[in-house]
Amino acid sequence: DADVTQTPRNRITKTGKRIMLECSQTKGHDRMYWYRQDPGLGLRLIYYSFDVKDINKGEISDGYSVSRQAQAKFSLSLESAIPNQTALYFCATSDSGTERNTIYFGEGSWLTVV
Amino acid sequence: KQEVTQIPAALSVPEGENLVLNCSFTDSAIYNLQWFRQDPGKGLTSLLLIQSSQREQTSGRLNASLDKSSGRSTLYIAASQPGDSATYLCAVLTFGTASKLTFGTGTRLQVTL
Repeated sequence: DADVTQTPRNRITKTGKRIMLECSQTKGHDRMYWYRQDPGLGLRLIYYSFDVKDINKGEISDGYSVSRQAQAKFSLSLESAIPNQTALYFCATSDSGTERNTIYFGEGSWLTVV
Repeated sequence: KQEVTQIPAALSVPEGENLVLNCSFTDSAIYNLQWFRQDPGKGLTSLLLIQSSQREQTSGRLNASLDKSSGRSTLYIAASQPGDSATYLCAVLTFGTASKLTFGTGTRLQVTL
């Protein structure tokens, strides 16, 4: 089983609909992140959380919200989806207790807004 | 604001060639630099992580170097194979950014038979 699991892996939704992307991890890491990837723009950070009570905006948080339900779960919501939110979304985790700060990514969630 | 650039954007080489991928960054106050591999439609897999105090890291046929003062890193792939075909991304962790990585846009590598 994957250490970082994202659901759904693929979703097509209509403009204006609410959609949630979920992420769970079994690595026991305290830090979790949501990124989106667009062609030619690389990965950009949407939100990040350093523990259950700590939520921070990334560089492109407008139009998104998050919830850290437990140390192992971090969900991303689009309250009213718009077509330019069509992208590949990644959840990631890291452990603040290690010097290496290696980051681990999920397989990604393809979201298409029509 | 940290900016990370990867050149070239795409590269095609015949099997067996040695190759170098380049990564440059604008702020040298980094904690570490990581190289990732991404297969089409898949997540990112960490290949090598170099701490700011290190000059290079090796894993199998991969060797990554870091010159922090000039803001450059290279990923050297020896004896390339078709299975190496993927997009390679570098990312830096900059001091004062609360563990937020800044990614380059990647180099898409195609190794042909």
